[in-house]
Amino acid sequence: AQTVTQSQPEMSVQEAETVTLSCTYDTSESDYYLFWYKQPPSRQMILVIRQEAYKQQNATENRFSVNFQKAAKSFSLKISDSQLGDAAMYFCAYRSDWDDKIIFGKGTRLHILP
Amino acid sequence: DTAVSQTPKYLVTQMGNDKSIKCEQNLGHDTMYWYKQDSKKFLKIMFSYNNKELIINETVPNRFSPKSPDKAHLNLHINSLELGDSAVYFCASSHEEETPTETQYFGPGTRLTVL
Repeated sequence: AQTVTQSQPEMSVQEAETVTLSCTYDTSESDYYLFWYKQPPSRQMILVIRQEAYKQQNATENRFSVNFQKAAKSFSLKISDSQLGDAAMYFCAYRSDWDDKIIFGKGTRLHILP
Repeated sequence: DTAVSQTPKYLVTQMGNDKSIKCEQNLGHDTMYWYKQDSKKFLKIMFSYNNKELIINETVPNRFSPKSPDKAHLNLHINSLELGDSAVYFCASSHEEETPTETQYFGPGTRLTVL
């Protein structure tokens, strides 16, 4: 069974600085998708970024980028120029190419220090 | 325009009652899901429906019954509510056929509190 591990329950970063959130996963599959979702206090689940496993190029969305290391099964999220609005729970998630369900990590709570 | 909407946003009820949470998506997606987020923020899938057909049914008590009247709606009925059912329930949708999006889009969540 696939698993997703986020080893950092909480992190803090100074406003305007860069922070990296870690995620590792375990799977025997070769085709899959990886996601980072953000859950602010409003609790809405917002997709931040996604990565297809067959793509070697790391996904980027404005200030958000990932470091996808397929062999190491690592999928970290880098947030550049951190803003107060980035404060939220961040969930790393895995989805198989053949299965509908998304498997979530336990989340990392990110605090932004003014 | 809310892509995935859920009602109600908050639901407080007594143990033993029967309640429903409604979900609607206007994205034209063919697959809908229910997730449960517990007090520790752990998110886990409960059900998945594709074109009104049940695809995923995780280990969920049969007190929980999803109902999909059409592709745009997936309602969650819960009978004989228990204290442990208190959680935030998220509905999500995606497009799986023809040109799959794979990405799931979530509703705002429904916080259920069982007293």
